[in-house]
Amino acid sequence: QVQLQESGPGLVKPSETLSLTCTVSGGSISGYYWSWIRQAPGKGLEWIGYMYYRGNSNYNPSLEGRVTMSADTSKDQISLKLSSVAAADTAIYYCARGGSSSLFVHTFDYWGHGTLVTVSS
Amino acid sequence: NFMLTQPHSVSESPGKTVTISCTRSSGSIASNYVQWYQQRPGSSPTTVIYEDNQRPSGVPDRFSGSIDSSSNSASLTISGLKTEDEADYYCQSSDGFNLGVFGGGTKVTVL
Repeated sequence: QVQLQESGPGLVKPSETLSLTCTVSGGSISGYYWSWIRQAPGKGLEWIGYMYYRGNSNYNPSLEGRVTMSADTSKDQISLKLSSVAAADTAIYYCARGGSSSLFVHTFDYWGHGTLVTVSS
Repeated sequence: NFMLTQPHSVSESPGKTVTISCTRSSGSIASNYVQWYQQRPGSSPTTVIYEDNQRPSGVPDRFSGSIDSSSNSASLTISGLKTEDEADYYCQSSDGFNLGVFGGGTKVTVL
């Protein structure tokens, strides 16, 4: 059974960079698209971006170039970096597995449990 | 980019049927697949419908999805409503550049 586990600091200071890792167990990141989605407290879901395990990626333009994703196939990990964070970036951050084709990037079959990141000084 | 608009909430009695709409603001609803996610309180989302009308294994056939080009919308229908169906439901699709968009979510209350 494939499992996704997000990890990283639960508290980040304003203007700093948020860094999270999604570790995949029971499977490999190879061959799939991987997305990050977030949910501010009491709010809806927001798509952050996706990347293919080989490295090509696509990000939500509303995040204005602050997002970078990367993959480490040796560790089966997907990473997210969000720079210049502000209070509005406080959210639960989820990683999710998409399909193996660009047609199915957003067809998520596995989700992580999510990790809460609070932006505060 | 486009928006996906969902009703804020729907409610119905056990055993009844509810339908949640998801209207695309621009571009054709048929041009990109629509997914539906269920999120129970305190839990991460799970997929109940993918590729417009496909059910993942383990999702009961009480859940069905469809798209309607005339109204440029997608719908999630839950029949034989059960108390365990009480949750938030989100539609999601993408544009021609594969940028993802979520609807605002619909809270389903089982009376």
